[in-house]
Amino acid sequence: DTEVTQTPKHLVMGMTNKKSLKCEQHMGHRAMYWYKQKAKKPPELMFVYSYEKLSINESVPSRFSPECPNSSLLNLHLHALQPEDSALYLCASSQVGITDTQYFGPGTRLTVL
Amino acid sequence: AQSVTQLDSQVPVFEEAPVELRCNYSSSVSVYLFWYVQYPNQGLQLLLKYLSGSTLVKGINGFEAEFNKSQTSFHLRKPSVHISDTAEYFCARIQGAQKLVFGQGTRLTINP
Repeated sequence: DTEVTQTPKHLVMGMTNKKSLKCEQHMGHRAMYWYKQKAKKPPELMFVYSYEKLSINESVPSRFSPECPNSSLLNLHLHALQPEDSALYLCASSQVGITDTQYFGPGTRLTVL
Repeated sequence: AQSVTQLDSQVPVFEEAPVELRCNYSSSVSVYLFWYVQYPNQGLQLLLKYLSGSTLVKGINGFEAEFNKSQTSFHLRKPSVHISDTAEYFCARIQGAQKLVFGQGTRLTINP
């Protein structure tokens, strides 16, 4: 099974809302990632967790708060977002080696009003 | 910064024609290169990757790529495309530890 699942598929939120994106994998991977993809642009890395610890934070604003409660789950908590944060948020997972393939989920399309 | 450049933002081809999508990378000691495909409204799927060894890499769906160190290129090819190959294609490389850096993408459109 090489599937990464993400919920919800679509999310519309106001600038004062708090919401969470969820990602799950059952491939035994110990690295999990959040990427942000704006329309007609490539994905850009936001966060990396290795062995459930945050290992990379690409200077992401604090209104995005990642959480890795266990080796299968990855959350992204959203608070006080701006309209420019509207994008496709992709989760990925892999083994921890730098050459290991990253498997991507289908993404959550977020719209901030 | 280590980077990849995709030279064509759009490539239109006729069905059953061959196609080449171009990717160049900035040179460094170690280079690990990937091609991903993104179908409309979906996530990314790995087509193939080059880590070391043979410079001709075979991937899924009939795609292949050739690592060319002297040209610093990693072009993706398919001898005969199908309508179902319509998608966005991203060349990518590893930067540092675990960080995938993507090119700007090439939109492949197949005309019947």
